[in-house]
Amino acid sequence: DSGVTQTPKHLITATGQRVTLRCSPRSGDLSVYWYQQSLDQGLQFLIQYYNGEERAKGNILERFSAQQFPDLHSELNLSSLELGDSALYFCASSARQGIDEQYFGPGTRLTVT
Amino acid sequence: GQNIDQPTEMTATEGAIVQINCTYQTSGFNGLFWYQQHAGEAPTFLSYNVLDGLEEKGRFSSFLSRSKGYSYLLLKELQMKDSASYLCAVRFIKAAGNKLTFGGGTRVLVKP
Repeated sequence: DSGVTQTPKHLITATGQRVTLRCSPRSGDLSVYWYQQSLDQGLQFLIQYYNGEERAKGNILERFSAQQFPDLHSELNLSSLELGDSALYFCASSARQGIDEQYFGPGTRLTVT
Repeated sequence: GQNIDQPTEMTATEGAIVQINCTYQTSGFNGLFWYQQHAGEAPTFLSYNVLDGLEEKGRFSSFLSRSKGYSYLLLKELQMKDSASYLCAVRFIKAAGNKLTFGGGTRVLVKP
């Protein structure tokens, strides 16, 4: 158990819908990262937050957005969902934003039908 | 680009040794991580290299050569539970925050 929690574990929704994925980092960690993992794409970095502020952006679509709240939990919002958005979404956390290793949560499996 | 290259798949026998190679672009290199990921589960941290040389952790060792843009993960005394994907990830110094670029992963199958 990494100490990172994610909810829900599974999510099934229809195209065009909007969902919110939630992540709580390990106690004391200030950085949160979101990744998408689909079968043909590997692990793709989406976005990073540090202590409430956006720090780095990867291959995140405009239909996707995220935020980190004062209690350091984070939410990833996915809207106008398409079939291709079906994937595992992982959240990771680290103590700082420098050299620390990232610890991954169990992931949310999103299925868009 | 910041391509991270590693073999797609490897097969080895229980009790044997397997070496998983990873090559990356050297410009801006600022650390390399290895993660293990079982199917459908979260990646788990295995090792971190930022200086040249070998880091040993029990049955797992990781080696880095910064000048060659090369790392390997060595798995010794293979066990059936080692069947998993192994992800090489590199942090590049120009990347904001602590962004990691992941390779596609190497699926290791351990046979009895």
